[in-house]
Amino acid sequence: AAGVIQSPRHLIKEKRETATLKCYPIPRHDTVYWYQQGPGQDPQFLISFYEKMQSDKGSIPDRFSAQQFSDYHSELNMSSLELGDSALYFCASSLRRGRGTNAEAFFGQGTRLTVV
Amino acid sequence: GESVGLHLPTLSVQEGDNSIINCAYSNSASDYFIWYKQESGKGPQFIIDIRSNMDKRQGQRVTVLLNKTVKHLSLQIAATQPGDSAVYFCAEKQALGSGTYKYIFGTGTRLKVLA
Repeated sequence: AAGVIQSPRHLIKEKRETATLKCYPIPRHDTVYWYQQGPGQDPQFLISFYEKMQSDKGSIPDRFSAQQFSDYHSELNMSSLELGDSALYFCASSLRRGRGTNAEAFFGQGTRLTVV
Repeated sequence: GESVGLHLPTLSVQEGDNSIINCAYSNSASDYFIWYKQESGKGPQFIIDIRSNMDKRQGQRVTVLLNKTVKHLSLQIAATQPGDSAVYFCAEKQALGSGTYKYIFGTGTRLKVLA
């Protein structure tokens, strides 16, 4: 079965550079979530999109932005990179089946960003 | 692959024994909870879920218990196997309104299975 696809798997950038992470949700999933996981940390919610509209924003720095496109894939854009941005970035997708219906989120393999 | 969760609480269990991993959640209004397993270098994988109108749910070798009074979840793994070694996270699904949600992760626990 198709899973959540993230690219690239690994990315090395220098300080102050820009990075773009891509996420392709499971087909027909309408909701995308982005998480950041630092070493030894639990995944921290950054931002989510439902039907191409931002649905919530978590601890996402102003230097980061994201969007969901018409084909439901999402991109996380990170500018003015700092050493502290080095982390695993996960994307997850889910399907909203209706009010009050639960739908678990499926995670991609993540992109490991290293800022040097 | 690189390790995730180098400084997380660790539970060491003998192979074949039962494991119990605990988690506290924050929002008493959360109505859906998931346990995820994360192996080194991989994304979290769904294990089992439970709704707030239940206090127990069983899967294959896994059982989740929910105590809403004290906002506590536990994951029980029967006959723990070496392949169960991973970091385990609980996540609560919080409603954002308009039918959208986000998942908030609790502190993970590293499970080490000893041969």
